[in-house]
Amino acid sequence: NAGVTQTPKFQVLKTGQSMTLQCAQDMNHEYMSWYRQDPGMGLRLIHYSVGAGITDQGEVPNGYNVSRSTTEDFPLRLLSAAPSQTSVYFCASSYGEGGAQYFGPGTRLTVL
Amino acid sequence: AQKVTQAQTEISVVEKEDVTLDCVYETRDTTYYLFWYKQPPSGELVFLIRRNSFDEQNEISGRYSWNFQKSTSSFNFTITASQVVDSAVYFCALSEAEEDSSYKLIFGSGTRLLVRP
Repeated sequence: NAGVTQTPKFQVLKTGQSMTLQCAQDMNHEYMSWYRQDPGMGLRLIHYSVGAGITDQGEVPNGYNVSRSTTEDFPLRLLSAAPSQTSVYFCASSYGEGGAQYFGPGTRLTVL
Repeated sequence: AQKVTQAQTEISVVEKEDVTLDCVYETRDTTYYLFWYKQPPSGELVFLIRRNSFDEQNEISGRYSWNFQKSTSSFNFTITASQVVDSAVYFCALSEAEEDSSYKLIFGSGTRLLVRP
């Protein structure tokens, strides 16, 4: 069991560039989510999905898109990167009702 | 509204001391879940414990123990005989049932624990 995997681990973008952060889980979890972590602010929810084909916005969705075509994968797309999106991004998954969310190792993104 | 407050921004102790990390939450729901996560210097988020709102039993796991009190809306975490390897940021989180069956986590801002040798 690899658990939750994320790629890449580090990324540097220029303002205006686009990219996709990859997230995959092999635990057959229905629920997946993306968080960003900024200094002193804890983790904030960007987008989440309760199952394949279903996504919704979290607390800070602007500038990000997601899709969920399979149970395993939940990519996060930055459409036009901005310096305010410099952060550490975590993907998580859980089996559902009140279940513990298991996190990937994170992607550290810098936007210049 | 849901909210999690970790008032202690940073705690510094000497190895072998006991330390308690405080967590206070706000929720209107009767069914909810509480969690603690550890984030060591390497950066990953490690799940420590999950508690549902109907189970107020305290839990002990080795040197770790958790005290859940609904009357004060608190879910405190105690490390007994702290060790240098306990140095990390610890997050408390709350999850409620939502209409769309999602269980979004609301995190506190974290407490940084430094254990000095």
